[in-house]
Amino acid sequence: DIQMTQSPSSLSASVGDRVTITCRASQGIRNDLGWYQQKPGKAPKRLIYDTSTLQSGVPTRFSGSGSGTEFTLTISSLQPEDFATYYCLQHNSYPWAFGQGTKVEIK
Amino acid sequence: QVQLVESGGGVVQPGESLRLSCVTSGFTFSSYGIHWVRQAPGKGLEWVAVIWYDGSNKVYADPVKGRFTISRDNSKNTLNLQMNSLRTEDTAVYYCAREANRGLDLWGQGTLVTVSS
Repeated sequence: DIQMTQSPSSLSASVGDRVTITCRASQGIRNDLGWYQQKPGKAPKRLIYDTSTLQSGVPTRFSGSGSGTEFTLTISSLQPEDFATYYCLQHNSYPWAFGQGTKVEIK
Repeated sequence: QVQLVESGGGVVQPGESLRLSCVTSGFTFSSYGIHWVRQAPGKGLEWVAVIWYDGSNKVYADPVKGRFTISRDNSKNTLNLQMNSLRTEDTAVYYCAREANRGLDLWGQGTLVTVSS
């Protein structure tokens, strides 16, 4: 089974900051990775799929990169509505696996 | 309106059973694989199971294999999750989610399952 290691588990940042979150796969998953945002009490929302394709309606300050085993979600300029928990999800092979999550908090 | 709506959650004792449903609308249900994902209180997301668009294949996560059964009725646009031999560690919010563009693009609001004596 493929394991996803996400880091950091939490971070504090200010509005306007550039934020980077990383996911590492235990084996190569090509570009079969997505990023999800979850706010308290709400269902997750997909931001990015296939490593770097922006979901329709998602602001362009979100971007994804990587391939193989190392992947990155970048928020170029953090906005108040971006404070949330972010998860990566590998969909290369079953069982699919999420990263542990990164909670982005206000500094 | 494109949506998935889960129901069937509740409080049960260890060893008991529960059946979750996910009713969909606004899209051609029979064209999509559908997944269950769960989230224990205060914890991260955990992938649970998937059923192919036509019901021809099902895959389960190891923690639920042999206890949970995923099924679908394409004539009713409905997905089900039969959960048997429930354990305290199955306590979670259960989400159904549509697979599209390689990943999960549409999620329900979730239903809470609590397993406690």
